Amino acid sequence: KAGVTQTPRYLIKTRGQQVTLSCSPISGHRSVSWYQQTPGQGLQFLFEYFSETQRNKGNFPGRFSGRQFSNSRSEMNVSTLELGDSALYLCASRSANSGNTIYFGEGSWLTVV
Amino acid sequence: GQQVMQIPQYQHVQEGEDFTTYCNSSTTLSNIQWYKQRPGGHPVFLIQLVKSGEVKKQKRLTFQFGEAKKNSSLHITATQTTDVGTYFCAGPHSYNFNKFYFGSGTKLNVKP
Repeated sequence: KAGVTQTPRYLIKTRGQQVTLSCSPISGHRSVSWYQQTPGQGLQFLFEYFSETQRNKGNFPGRFSGRQFSNSRSEMNVSTLELGDSALYLCASRSANSGNTIYFGEGSWLTVV
Repeated sequence: GQQVMQIPQYQHVQEGEDFTTYCNSSTTLSNIQWYKQRPGGHPVFLIQLVKSGEVKKQKRLTFQFGEAKKNSSLHITATQTTDVGTYFCAGPHSYNFNKFYFGSGTKLNVKP
């Protein structure tokens, strides 16, 4: 069974631009969540989607948004990028059928210059 | 609000020494999951404990889930340089599985 797949793996953007990151969950997993990780900050929860609906949301500004498609694939978008948005963005999927164990993708490394 | 705290935040040990990280939740969890993140990598699932008081072992790693299902520990015996990384605990709320909580992580450095 394929794991969680995230694209792109690495990207560099300029301040003010916007970026879209993509995530394909493990087959059968309907819950997809997104996390931001910066050095020294640990895992910061962005949002979680389940069956195309946002189920939970962290404390991030409205520049951070996401969506989920009917095939459970998810995208997150960051608009008007700031230098502080440079981070590793992790997508994770889980399923109640597997004890709600969370499985992470390898992440997308975003650098804003 | 709900918090999952982990201590210590950092631990530096000499290779061969033991290491323990503790995870404490302010509320009961349905289960506890442990993850390891190597430097430059992503969190990788290690193990899940479900039952109150459960203990599981993976080679040199011993995981415990507290009786009240609010705390957990990970103990590594005779650390090796391959143990370097950040260890996270996490788990869903005991009755609201929509809520999932991550600990702040313990960063382990092992000196050869």
